[in-house]
Amino acid sequence: KQEVTQIPAALSVPEGENLVLNCSFTDSAIYNLQWFRQDPGKGLTSLLLIQSSQREQTSGRLNASLDKSSGRSTLYIAASQPGDSATYLCAVNTNAGKSTFGDGTTLTVKP
Amino acid sequence: GAGVSQTPSNKVTEKGKYVELRCDPISGHTALYWYRQSLGQGPEFLIYFQGTGAADDSGLPNDRFFAVRPEGSVSTLKIQRTERGDSAVYLCASSRGPSGDYEQYFGPGTRLTVT
Repeated sequence: KQEVTQIPAALSVPEGENLVLNCSFTDSAIYNLQWFRQDPGKGLTSLLLIQSSQREQTSGRLNASLDKSSGRSTLYIAASQPGDSATYLCAVNTNAGKSTFGDGTTLTVKP
Repeated sequence: GAGVSQTPSNKVTEKGKYVELRCDPISGHTALYWYRQSLGQGPEFLIYFQGTGAADDSGLPNDRFFAVRPEGSVSTLKIQRTERGDSAVYLCASSRGPSGDYEQYFGPGTRLTVT
C-alpha cells in the first residue's frame, strides 16, 4: 500500500526566502507525482505534474524534482511572497486512476 | 473554459438520511474522481470513472457509498444512512484521461455535515 509523507507539517518563513518542501513515498512504482496548492476552504490547484520518466518540472518560481528510486520529491519555491501562503500537497499515482495524497505542508510567508 | 463545479457547496443533514452530491467535470474530460478530505488531512481517494464505468472503486469505505456517471459527464455521489463520521469535504476532480498520464483538476468541494 502506497504511503505518502510530507515534512514538515508547517513552515513559516520571511518574505523573499527560498524554501524547499519535501514529499516521500513508499512504493517507487509510480506513474507520476503531482504538486497542488490548497487555500483555506478551497479546492486544490494543480502546480506541477512530473511523469515517472522525468526528473524535474519548472513553472515560474516553482521547481519540482523527482527521485523515484529513493521515493522522494521536493518542491522548491524561489523568492517566496505572502501570496504563496497556503497548504501544499503532493499526490502520487501508482495505478491508472488512483492517487495517494500526503497530509500537506502549511506554508506561511510573513511580510 | 469552465472548471469543475460541485453542488451543493454545503450540505447539512441528519444522521440516517440519504444525500446526493453532484459533480460537473470539465467538458471533454473522460476521467472523473471522487475524494473526501477531513480537516488537516490530504484527500482520500474514493472512486475513479473512465467514461461511464467505475474503473476503480476500491476507496469507497462501505456499501452505503455509491457513485454513478450514467452519460460519461456529470457524476453523483450517493450516501445512504449517513453517519456523523461521514462529515467531511467531498472533492471531485477530472482529467483528460487517466491520472497516470494527465493532470487532475479539482472542484471547490461540497462540505457535508451530518448532525
